[in-house]
Amino acid sequence: QKEVEQNSGPLSVPEGAIASLNCTYSDRGSQSFFWYRQYSGKSPELIMFIYSNGDKEDGRFTAQLNKASQYVSLLIRDSQPSDSATYLCAVTGRRSNYKLTFGKGTLLTVNP
Amino acid sequence: DGGITQSPKYLFRKEGQNVTLSCEQNLNHDAMYWYRQDPGQGLRLIYYSQIVNDFQKGDIAEGYSVSREKKESFPLTVTSAQKNPTAFYLCASSILNTEAFFGQGTRLTVV
Repeated sequence: QKEVEQNSGPLSVPEGAIASLNCTYSDRGSQSFFWYRQYSGKSPELIMFIYSNGDKEDGRFTAQLNKASQYVSLLIRDSQPSDSATYLCAVTGRRSNYKLTFGKGTLLTVNP
Repeated sequence: DGGITQSPKYLFRKEGQNVTLSCEQNLNHDAMYWYRQDPGQGLRLIYYSQIVNDFQKGDIAEGYSVSREKKESFPLTVTSAQKNPTAFYLCASSILNTEAFFGQGTRLTVV
């Protein structure tokens, strides 16, 4: 089983819709969870981080963490064409010696 | 300006040649990372370091070497043993167990 798994997509949503991006991880001892956005040819930029079970909201973005199910998601409300990018999930924790591991990313396309 | 600087932005390597990619940070971060990204792929960890003079292999360390002589610097050498080095290389740094920040990347091409 891969350490961090994401659907590669592409995920296509209309402008104004909610985009839902999912990520599962294999190490039950993982402690910190991150979502990055990467535009084509650019380096990743941090969108959200979450450490505790539940939801965390920041503007149009909501991160959801369920440690029992080893699942973390990112919701993007009122999706805009500028949100079109690859979204990368990353995980780290003490048990993995703080190795920061990324999933392969999900390509999101928001259609005007 | 605080941040991570990678250089060069573009690099060309001849067959059998070693090349070194530079990564410098002034964020006072303990941890530094090197990732490789191939087209349409995620980030694969090459090496990471949590403290000066210590580093660990990631998932694809073969054909690469690193050093961490200073907290601010974590250079990556792509050796001739790396048979398929053409890729986008990303350096990142973080406070341990928190979010990582990335440099602008180095695009390496074998000619």
